[in-house]
Amino acid sequence: DGGITQSPKYLFRKEGQNVTLSCEQNLNHDAMYWYRQDPGQGLRLIYYSQIVNDFQKGDIAEGYSVSREKKESFPLTVTSAQKNPTAFYLCASSIDWNEQFFGPGTRLTVL
Amino acid sequence: DAKTTQPTSMDCAEGRAANLPCNHSTISGNEYVYWYRQIHSQGPQYIIHGLKNNETNEMASLIITEDRKSSTLILPHATLRDTAVYYCIVNARQGGKLIFGQGTELSVKP
Repeated sequence: DGGITQSPKYLFRKEGQNVTLSCEQNLNHDAMYWYRQDPGQGLRLIYYSQIVNDFQKGDIAEGYSVSREKKESFPLTVTSAQKNPTAFYLCASSIDWNEQFFGPGTRLTVL
Repeated sequence: DAKTTQPTSMDCAEGRAANLPCNHSTISGNEYVYWYRQIHSQGPQYIIHGLKNNETNEMASLIITEDRKSSTLILPHATLRDTAVYYCIVNARQGGKLIFGQGTELSVKP
């Protein structure tokens, strides 16, 4: 089955630790995205990548980093510089910018 | 800044049509109307999009007014599984970024 997978589904980290969220797609999409969602809010764009080895900051990139070494993979690292990292993180991919396919999400909690 | 206005919440009886309105009075000529939905604790799901003609697919219909300042998403026979937050987004087809507002929380009731 084609789709997007994110792992893990739930993630706990101690304050001050970096953590990496995985996102993999087998849809052969060039573009991939990371969003953050806080309770009762819409999605906010963290980073996006339209092609391998290239990525751009979104609206709330501070405290996050990404890499795009392979077309299929777009991991997101939440660094200790991110002041409020507890949130629901969603990865998406697309051929057309606007028709995005989303993964199931990772819920990160900082203890 | 949000380009769309949607009601915060709506209820619909199971089996009836759900009509979700969206105002986008500042829409530009090259901007499309997109609809996504998000079931609780899942990733959003693309539903449908249109430019100026009405559109229909297996999930829903999209009715866009002639002046393009508003649109309505129609779920013809709502089921309990259609309970979700529905997002209306306007965006040019090339470039730009999707802006997800707070959407409409649709509750389908038995």
